[in-house]
Amino acid sequence: DADVTQTPRNRITKTGKRIMLECSQTKGHDRMYWYRQDPGLGLQLIYYSFDVKDINKGEISDGYSVSRQAQAKFSLSLESAIPNQTALYFCATSDSGLVAGELFFGEGSRLTVL
Amino acid sequence: AQSVAQPEDQVNVAEGNPLTVKCTYSVSGNPYLFWYVQYPNRGLQFLLKYITGDNLVKGSYGFEAEFNKSQTSFHLKKPSALVSDSALYFCAVRVPSGSARQLTFGSGTQLTVLP
Repeated sequence: DADVTQTPRNRITKTGKRIMLECSQTKGHDRMYWYRQDPGLGLQLIYYSFDVKDINKGEISDGYSVSRQAQAKFSLSLESAIPNQTALYFCATSDSGLVAGELFFGEGSRLTVL
Repeated sequence: AQSVAQPEDQVNVAEGNPLTVKCTYSVSGNPYLFWYVQYPNRGLQFLLKYITGDNLVKGSYGFEAEFNKSQTSFHLKKPSALVSDSALYFCAVRVPSGSARQLTFGSGTQLTVLP
């Protein structure tokens, strides 16, 4: 089983719908992240959380919200999806005891907004 | 502001030949540098990192990278490419005083190893 699990892996939705992407991890890491990947743009940080009570915006947080339900769970929500949010979304984890930058990624959630 | 450039969107190399995937960076101060690989339909996987010390760092799957401070580069290399090395490769940088939230990724280089 994967250490970082994302659901759903693929989702097609319509403009204006609310979407939630979920992430769970069995690595026991305290830090969790949501990234967005667009072709030719690399990865951009949406939100990150260093523990259950700590939520922080990344570089592209507009239009997104997150919830850290437990140390192992970090969900990303799009309250009203729009077509330019069509992208591949990755959840990642890290351990505060490691060199920050060593991230462990899930396999991604591909979202298409029509 | 820190930045990373991967000047080649696509690199093709024949199996058995050496491969190089280029990365240059810009940061204030000393960098922490990373390489990640993304296989089709998979998440990114950590390959190797440079923190301090020896400029040549070795990582997973026979890959290595050379830190060159004067050229602000951190090129990924492998002496003999395999078809299974075909993937998307990302370079990333941050400053030591930062954290993973300040990790900046390059745009990625698609490596294709031809049989």
